[in-house]
This record gives sequence, C-alpha cells and structure tokens, in this order.
Amino acid sequence: QKEVEQNSGPLSVPEGAIASLNCTYSDRGSQSFFWYRQYSGKSPELIMFIYSNGDKEDGRFTAQLNKASQYVSLLIRDSQPSDSATYLCALMDSSYKLIFGSGTRLLVRP
Amino acid sequence: GAVVSQHPSRVICKSGTSVKIECRSLDFQATTMFWYRQFPKQSLMLMATSNEGSKATYEQGVEKDKFLINHASLTLSTLTVTSAHPEDSSFYICSAQREGAYNEQFFGPGTRLTVL
Repeated sequence: QKEVEQNSGPLSVPEGAIASLNCTYSDRGSQSFFWYRQYSGKSPELIMFIYSNGDKEDGRFTAQLNKASQYVSLLIRDSQPSDSATYLCALMDSSYKLIFGSGTRLLVRP
Repeated sequence: GAVVSQHPSRVICKSGTSVKIECRSLDFQATTMFWYRQFPKQSLMLMATSNEGSKATYEQGVEKDKFLINHASLTLSTLTVTSAHPEDSSFYICSAQREGAYNEQFFGPGTRLTVL
C-alpha cells in the first residue's frame, strides 16, 4: 500500500463549480500535510499546508484534515480554467522529507 | 514570499559530459534542500537530501558518485550529473526547506536536462 493515495483523475468540473480533491494516507502518526499545484512542464507550487484537524481556508482554497479517518482534502471554490493542473498531496515524514501522492489531474471546463 | 531559483532552466549536452545545476534560496536561508527528478507523466522522485556543511543523504537506488551534491552555503546547493547518458534526461527540481514552525518546502522552477 502506498503511503499517500490520490485518484489520478482527471476530475472534470465546470467553471464556477467547487472542485474537491481527496487524499488518504497510511501512517497514522503523520502530522503535516501539504497541497501543491503543478502545471504541465512546470515545478510544484505550494498552495496550502495543514496541521490541525478541521478546515483551513485561504482565498478560494480550503484544506480539510481528518486524522482519525486519515484523509486530507482540498476544495477549490469558483473553479477557473486556470486552476486546471495536477494537484499533489504530500505528507512530511519525521526526517522532513515530503512523501507525495501520484497527483490528481483537475480539468476545469469553460 | 519564499523564492527558489534554479539555473540553468534547460540544458542539452552530449553523452559523457557533466552538467551542474544550481539551486538558490533567494529570500531565506535553507539548511536543508532536496533534489527531485521527474520523468514525463510520473510523480516526483526524491533523489537526495542536501544538508549545508555535511554530506548529502541519497535515496535508495540513487548513485552518489553519479549525482554529486554540494551544499556549500545556506542559500546554495548544486547537483552535478557526471558522465551523463541519455537515460539521465529528465526534469530535475530542487526544493528548499524554510525552517520554522512549519518547515515548508518551496520548489525551484526546475531544470530540463536532455542528453544526446
């Protein structure tokens, strides 16, 4: 079992809708979680990180963490075509390495 | 913000030559930097952890004599691909860890290496 699991997608949503990206992890002791966005041919860009159970909002983005169920999600409100990218979920292990999921490709249709 | 630069952004070289890639944290100090490789349509693969003032820690299967890492200052790490071969062609990306409460990693823009 992979440490961080993501559905590869593509997840297709219409412009203006809410995109919901999900991620599960296997190590119950994990504490720190990160969402990165990666456009094709570019390097990852940090969107948000979350440490505590519950929701964390930043603009159109909301990260949700549920440690009991071992999942992390990212909601994108009012999705725009420019949000079309691959979204990478990652957890930080005890040696500060990031363990990445394989990413979910999001497609926002105009 | 936290800005990380990489140079060069793109390099084409002949088989057997060596290529050096620089990674710099521009507005923060980074004791720890990381080097990743990404093949088309695949996820990031961590190659090594670069520690300022000490030897790099390589992931299993990564040849330390082929991928030389030097982290000589708190803002600069270099990756040298020695005796490059076509199978080393890939997208090499560094990240720098901003120390603090959250230890976020910020990625450089990447270097696309093509070995002919």
